[in-house]
Amino acid sequence: SQTIHQWPATLVQPVGSPLSLECTVEGTSNPNLYWYRQAAGRGLQLLFYSVGIGQISSEVPQNLSASRPQDRQFILSSKKLLLSDSGFYLCAWSVGGARGYGYTFGSGTRLTVV
Amino acid sequence: GIQVEQSPPDLILQEGANSTLRCNFSDSVNNLQWFHQNPWGQLINLFYIPSGTKQNGRLSATTVATERYSLLYISSSQTTDSGVYFCAVERAGGTSYGKLTFGQGTILTVHP
Repeated sequence: SQTIHQWPATLVQPVGSPLSLECTVEGTSNPNLYWYRQAAGRGLQLLFYSVGIGQISSEVPQNLSASRPQDRQFILSSKKLLLSDSGFYLCAWSVGGARGYGYTFGSGTRLTVV
Repeated sequence: GIQVEQSPPDLILQEGANSTLRCNFSDSVNNLQWFHQNPWGQLINLFYIPSGTKQNGRLSATTVATERYSLLYISSSQTTDSGVYFCAVERAGGTSYGKLTFGQGTILTVHP
């Protein structure tokens, strides 16, 4: 079965420190991968998506970057965190075609920048 | 970009009651999904429903694509139904990559 792992679950980082959040998928090949951010417990905002190794598209300008070094690994990074980077970060995967992009989300990382 | 509006923003029910959540969107879509976020933050996909009607147990959903809205019905609500319900869409046209735009959600609280 397909599973998605995301870690860490919670993170407290000082302003100006680097960030690396990792997401891995099991049980599927060539998934579409996504990073979303949720602020204040309401709607999610798409940050990055990837349709293949090394292929990253950014949806909003920001202090973050993403990389996909392997087919089932997606990494969210920052060189220097800002207070505004605090939030709940969710990784997701989907497979298109006849299954209609059914989405599976990871359990999320709650990031607090202090 | 496409706009997604959900109503009501908050809903409080007694266990056993029925409810209807609405999602309006501003443009044609090729992908519409309903999600439930539990109190611990986990998002679960409920329905993929760009058009038509689907049912899964006590939950059902209907999307009228020509009128740009979708409805999620919850019957005989239970306390475990509490959480936030999100509608998310992808605008039609161009290449589809599953890039979803989310509404702000409906916070549902079910009291025993």
